[in-house]
Amino acid sequence: DADVTQTPRNRITKTGKRIMLECSQTKGHDRMYWYRQDPGLGLQLIYYSFDVKDINKGEISDGYSVSRQAQAKFSLSLESAIPNQTALYFCATSDTSGGGSYNEQFFGPGTRLTVL
Amino acid sequence: AQSVAQPEDQVNVAEGNPLTVKCTYSVSGNPYLFWYVQYPNRGLQFLLKYITGDNLVKGSYGFEAEFNKSQTSFHLKKPSALVSDSALYFCAVRPPNGNNRKLIWGLGTSLAVNP
Repeated sequence: DADVTQTPRNRITKTGKRIMLECSQTKGHDRMYWYRQDPGLGLQLIYYSFDVKDINKGEISDGYSVSRQAQAKFSLSLESAIPNQTALYFCATSDTSGGGSYNEQFFGPGTRLTVL
Repeated sequence: AQSVAQPEDQVNVAEGNPLTVKCTYSVSGNPYLFWYVQYPNRGLQFLLKYITGDNLVKGSYGFEAEFNKSQTSFHLKKPSALVSDSALYFCAVRPPNGNNRKLIWGLGTSLAVNP
């Protein structure tokens, strides 16, 4: 969905390096999420944010941090990358219209990260 | 513990035949249920959802899903499969109570439609 963009799309880095993945959305949604996808493990939630001042840890937040710079931007950082953080990372958004608790999420195209 | 199961890692079907991708869940109360599709090298796309009402939900690309409360299932179906339906399908459930921010995801089912 072009309304949710992620940069970079692919990244190869070395163990110990700091990496930032960026997500931007033009959908006007207030909620944003970061997931990682590994083969056979489905989607795992890393962090989520309900608005600029609301940041919450997901299932696998260790080794990651996030920043919600604006309603439209949500960045994920790996402070010191390690090989088992090699995965496909997705950003997603949703909104709170109509009550909000059952609205679907819209995903970006993903960032393929390889840590050597 | 709350969970979502997609019992089949892979489903193979011939083009033109009906397809079913299975999803069962273990969540108390009346959850919200979702199906997403992931095409190769793409992000996930929303297909359909069940919130309340008619147990048969219609969604994008001719897909539908049937909610069965007694069997705690939400199977995805399509009457006539297309080769272009080949993709990875994810079922997700949002519990009705507690932390309302997180979906519980199945591990995905790879659908292969053969010409």
